[in-house]
Amino acid sequence: QKEVEQNSGPLSVPEGAIASLNCTYSDRGSQSFFWYRQYSGKSPELIMFIYSNGDKEDGRFTAQLNKASQYVSLLIRDSQPSDSATYLCAVNTLFWSGNTGKLIFGQGTTLQVKP
Amino acid sequence: KAGVTQTPRYLIKTRGQQVTLSCSPISGHRSVSWYQQTPGQGLQFLFEYFSETQRNKGNFPGRFSGRQFSNSRSEMNVSTLELGDSALYLCASSLYGTDTGNTIYFGEGSWLTVV
Repeated sequence: QKEVEQNSGPLSVPEGAIASLNCTYSDRGSQSFFWYRQYSGKSPELIMFIYSNGDKEDGRFTAQLNKASQYVSLLIRDSQPSDSATYLCAVNTLFWSGNTGKLIFGQGTTLQVKP
Repeated sequence: KAGVTQTPRYLIKTRGQQVTLSCSPISGHRSVSWYQQTPGQGLQFLFEYFSETQRNKGNFPGRFSGRQFSNSRSEMNVSTLELGDSALYLCASSLYGTDTGNTIYFGEGSWLTVV
């Protein structure tokens, strides 16, 4: 079982729709969860981070975390063609095990927003 | 505020050679992590440095090494290059690492091609 799993997609949504990106993780002790956006040929760009159960909103983006289900998601409202990219879910490892500074990444979900 | 700076951005090396990549973190950040990104394996953690000490290391052979200087700048070195080392090498900067409360920012990466 992979430590962080994402559906590779592509996920295709029409412009203006809500895009829902999902991620599951296996390490129950994970504390920090990050969503990065990566355009082709570019480096990952931090979109949001979430640490507590529930929702966290930032503009058109909402991150949702459910630690009991080991599930984190990213919702993009009013999707735009410029949102077309690969979205990477990243999870930290246990701090007290010495594994700080290490993020485990999913393989990423490719999002296509069609005009 | 300047971001994470990586040099060189692009380089081509021959099998058997070695390469050194450099990373200057965001001012004030003390944690520097390195990642390798390939199409097949995705983003994989190499190692993390904090205050000149390696705190964590990923599952890479000993040919991959790194260090951090007193000004938090970091270098990574790959010796005896193999074709499979062709990848995007990303440096990530944060205040203290991945524990709760810290966000992690990536540089633009160094594209390494081994021929």
